[in-house]
Amino acid sequence: LAKTTQPISMDSYEGQEVNITCSHNNIATNDYITWYQQFPSQGPRFIIQGYKTKVTNEVASLFIPADRKSSTLSLPRVSLSDTAVYYCLVGDTGGGNKLTFGTGTQLKVEL
Amino acid sequence: DTEVTQTPKHLVMGMTNKKSLKCEQHMGHRAMYWYKQKAKKPPELMFVYSYEKLSINESVPSRFSPECPNSSLLNLHLHALQPEDSALYLCASSQDTTYEQYFGPGTRLTVT
Repeated sequence: LAKTTQPISMDSYEGQEVNITCSHNNIATNDYITWYQQFPSQGPRFIIQGYKTKVTNEVASLFIPADRKSSTLSLPRVSLSDTAVYYCLVGDTGGGNKLTFGTGTQLKVEL
Repeated sequence: DTEVTQTPKHLVMGMTNKKSLKCEQHMGHRAMYWYKQKAKKPPELMFVYSYEKLSINESVPSRFSPECPNSSLLNLHLHALQPEDSALYLCASSQDTTYEQYFGPGTRLTVT
């Protein structure tokens, strides 16, 4: 079972880069790493997914070291609207670890 | 259409009631999921349907009964719930079980 841990909270200011790390020491070979953003009383929203090395899309980058025991979500130039809870999700329903959300990181962005 | 819809948005039910939560997607996704989320906690996986067949049941009590009538619909039937079952129930779908999930807004369930 992939136990997945994250920092409880992080604070930042508008325009800064924010890096949120997720630890998943028991990640299995088949497991993907996916990050989600969640606002209060809403469902999580997909940000980015990766398996190894680096993945970049229009909103974020995901860094995964060779041992895959951790991953880092990088949000460039955050704004107030990025204040939310960020979850990493590790696992695979095709035979690897079950899907396990991380503990979640509350990001607060201020002016 | 990249939306997952859930009805109702809010539900209050007594411990002897029977109710159902509904979820719908029209993205052609073949995997659908039910999660339970308590306040300030991460979502917890309950059930996974892959190609309309139940593929994962995370030892959820039998008072929760999932149903997948077709590839676009997912139901969660509720019976004889307990107050501790009060939570946000989230539905999600994905192209298949290895792709990213799209979540609905959830149903806020209160058991009295």
